[in-house]
Amino acid sequence: AQRVTQPEKLLSVFKGAPVELKCNYSYSGSPELFWYVQYSRQRLQLLLRHISRESIKGFTADLNKGETSFHLKKPFAQEEDSAMYYCALSAGGTSYGKLTFGQGTILTVHP
Amino acid sequence: DVKVTQSSRYLVKRTGEKVFLECVQDMDHENMFWYRQDPGLGLRLIYFSYDVKMKEKGDIPEGYSVSREKKERFSLILESASTNQTSMYLCASRPTDRWAGELFFGEGSRLTVL
Repeated sequence: AQRVTQPEKLLSVFKGAPVELKCNYSYSGSPELFWYVQYSRQRLQLLLRHISRESIKGFTADLNKGETSFHLKKPFAQEEDSAMYYCALSAGGTSYGKLTFGQGTILTVHP
Repeated sequence: DVKVTQSSRYLVKRTGEKVFLECVQDMDHENMFWYRQDPGLGLRLIYFSYDVKMKEKGDIPEGYSVSREKKERFSLILESASTNQTSMYLCASRPTDRWAGELFFGEGSRLTVL
């Protein structure tokens, strides 16, 4: 069975500081990994996925298979980045399409 | 824009009541999901469906059932609500031909069981 762990429940940084939200996973196969974000009073939405290797709103995430990690990073945090962030994993085979989520990290960016 | 609509944003029910949570999507997606969202526990999958009249258990199906009579509608049923089912419930959908992880979520239904 797969598992996703986000060790930090809360993360606070000041505007302009670098931010890193940690995500570790456990899965025996080849996973697909994603970051989802939920801003205040908005619905949960996809932020980025590892396979696209894209930068969204200044955020990037690199899949490290050796460390089984998929940390989310941004070099200069902005106040509008304050939100709940979830790391999620999609396994293959019969589980294809089903997402396993981590516990979530609440990011607060102070002015 | 994909629209996933959950009919009830807030519900308050009593222990033992039968509760229906409705979810409708307007983009002809094959796949639909019900998650519950709890602080410190993240999102946990209750049930999902890959087609009409088809359902599969997720990670925490106990105490829940689902119904998918039409492609656009996926209902979550609590046969006899209990206080430990107080939670935020999120419905999501996804077409088969999109990335497995790109789910489109509804706004959520916050259920309180007294």
